[in-house]
Amino acid sequence: DVKVTQSSRYLVKRTGEKVFLECVQDMDHENMFWYRQDPGLGLRLIYFSYDVKMKEKGDIPEGYSVSREKKERFSLILESASTNQTSMYLCASLPRGGTDTQYFGPGTRLTVL
Amino acid sequence: QKEVEQNSGPLSVPEGAIASLNCTYSDRGSQSFFWYRQYSGKSPELIMSIYSNGDKEDGRFTAQLNKASQYVSLLIRDSQPSDSATYLCAVTVSGGYNKLIFGAGTRLAVHP
Repeated sequence: DVKVTQSSRYLVKRTGEKVFLECVQDMDHENMFWYRQDPGLGLRLIYFSYDVKMKEKGDIPEGYSVSREKKERFSLILESASTNQTSMYLCASLPRGGTDTQYFGPGTRLTVL
Repeated sequence: QKEVEQNSGPLSVPEGAIASLNCTYSDRGSQSFFWYRQYSGKSPELIMSIYSNGDKEDGRFTAQLNKASQYVSLLIRDSQPSDSATYLCAVTVSGGYNKLIFGAGTRLAVHP
């Protein structure tokens, strides 16, 4: 079974802090994705990566950056956290060329005070 | 802007009934369609995928796809209280990388 893990289930940070969310997958997948999920808005794509050191902006990249130094690890960075970044963050992975769907991690619920 | 639309619900059905969940999408180039179930506080879990027009059955679940109408649906037969969750419709974005667009989800409540 594909396993996608995220570094924290719950995280509380203060406005202005730099926040790192880590995602690790154990299936050698090329594609990895970061989403945020808010009530009534569904999942929105922040960034995705299709290979090591490669990244593409999703629909809502403002205020976020990402890092993919190793194939199994995809990090989401909030350079200066703001209260409107309080959300559930979900990581997903998928093999290159796969017609299958994305496998999700358990999610990190981030609260910015 | 490519979109996926779902009725937010809640859709309330009695135990044992058929629950019908609907989804429309705007990207005519979408090739793959998925239904996820998400329990409160948990991550989405894939329950059905469908790639061609028609019906696809898996146990109590049937997915239906009509590309001409840009419409996907999920039927849950013999609904159980454990089916109570939010159901997310997702479609692939034409252009590669297997990017998905998600609907906001329909909340299903199955009452005994």
